[in-house]
Amino acid sequence: DIQMTQSPSALSASVGDRVTFTCRASQSISNYLNWYQQKPGKAPKLLIYAASTLQTGVPSRFSGSGSGTDFTLTISSLQPDDYATYYCQQSYSSPFTFGGGTKVEIK
Amino acid sequence: QVHLQESGPGLVKPSETLSLTCIVSGGATGSYYWSWIRQSPGKGLEYIGYIYYSGSTDYNPSLKSRVTISIDTSTNQFSLRLNSVTAADTAVYYCARRIYTSSFYFDYWGQGILVTVSS
Repeated sequence: DIQMTQSPSALSASVGDRVTFTCRASQSISNYLNWYQQKPGKAPKLLIYAASTLQTGVPSRFSGSGSGTDFTLTISSLQPDDYATYYCQQSYSSPFTFGGGTKVEIK
Repeated sequence: QVHLQESGPGLVKPSETLSLTCIVSGGATGSYYWSWIRQSPGKGLEYIGYIYYSGSTDYNPSLKSRVTISIDTSTNQFSLRLNSVTAADTAVYYCARRIYTSSFYFDYWGQGILVTVSS
């Protein structure tokens, strides 16, 4: 199985901050990397697919980059609605594994 | 707008079979991969498997011996069966649509259903 490692596991940030977190795959996955946002009690919501393509309806303050084994998700200006947990997921090969998540908390 | 809704018992006894159904509305089941994913505090998000509308399947090897996913395209629903459950199978179970547009991803998810394995 491909292991997905996210860092940090949690971070505190203020509204308006630029926030970046990372996801690393245990082997090259090309650009087969997706990002999801999850709020408590809710299902994950797709933000970005193919490493950098914004899902329809997702605000442009979200962006993704990377290829191979190292990927980043950036929120250019953190908004109150963005406090959540973010997961990366590889779709390169089955089983399609998720990272452990990065929880964004209010500073 | 595609909507997915899981249904099934919230409590299953150890060694018995967990059975869940996902009803798809707002779109047909054709040409997509219909998936099950679970989330437990101990293991995070875990891919269980998918079924293509044609009936072909893919299962997580860690669960493969216990899992069956089936689909009924006439009623726009698909199902999960997980047998010989233990407490480790306690989780929130999500159904999701897997789609390909330059890459594969899960674009629509159900709200999730908590299944507890306990006697």
